[in-house]
Amino acid sequence: AQTVTQSQPEMSVQEAETVTLSCTYDTSESDYYLFWYKQPPSRQMILVIRQEAYKQQNATENRFSVNFQKAAKSFSLKISDSQLGDAAMYFCASVSGNTPLVFGKGTRLSVIA
Amino acid sequence: GAVVSQHPSWVICKSGTSVKIECRSLDFQATTMFWYRQFPKQSLMLMATSNEGSKATYEQGVEKDKFLINHASLTLSTLTVTSAHPEDSSFYICSAADRRSNEKLFFGSGTQLSVL
Repeated sequence: AQTVTQSQPEMSVQEAETVTLSCTYDTSESDYYLFWYKQPPSRQMILVIRQEAYKQQNATENRFSVNFQKAAKSFSLKISDSQLGDAAMYFCASVSGNTPLVFGKGTRLSVIA
Repeated sequence: GAVVSQHPSWVICKSGTSVKIECRSLDFQATTMFWYRQFPKQSLMLMATSNEGSKATYEQGVEKDKFLINHASLTLSTLTVTSAHPEDSSFYICSAADRRSNEKLFFGSGTQLSVL
């Protein structure tokens, strides 16, 4: 079974600064995908970034990047130049094969102007 | 990009009535859709996996007679909350996998159910 752990219930960052959200996971599968989703107050789930486990290169999407440490089963999200619109719940998730997406408990990010 | 449409966005109903929530993949075929439930300030909890043309697979603790899932076509899955009670009040979200995009999952906008 897959598990995803987010140990930071809440984080805050100053506008324009950088913040890192932590995530660890556990899986017995060799082929899997990892995701970070953002859920703003509208509650729409928005895909932030996606990483295939077989790729060693860390995924990057504009101001968002990940630090994927496969041996340590760690998948942290770095948000650079934080903006007010980045304030939201962030969920780390993993999926493999035909299994459903498994979510962590989430981290609520506040951005301070 | 792929879009998943979920309706209604919110619904208020009386105890004992049934409520149907629809989840449609608008521009792709989804052989598998997933139904999640989310309580305030909590994560998404998987309720069931909806498979086109076959019975849904329910997670442990989810009553299949209470939460009826029908996936009659490759673009539509429905969740019916039968004989709703106040404790069924929650935010329900569906998602569908777009096989064309290497397992990318797209989410509906969710349905807030309030049972009086």
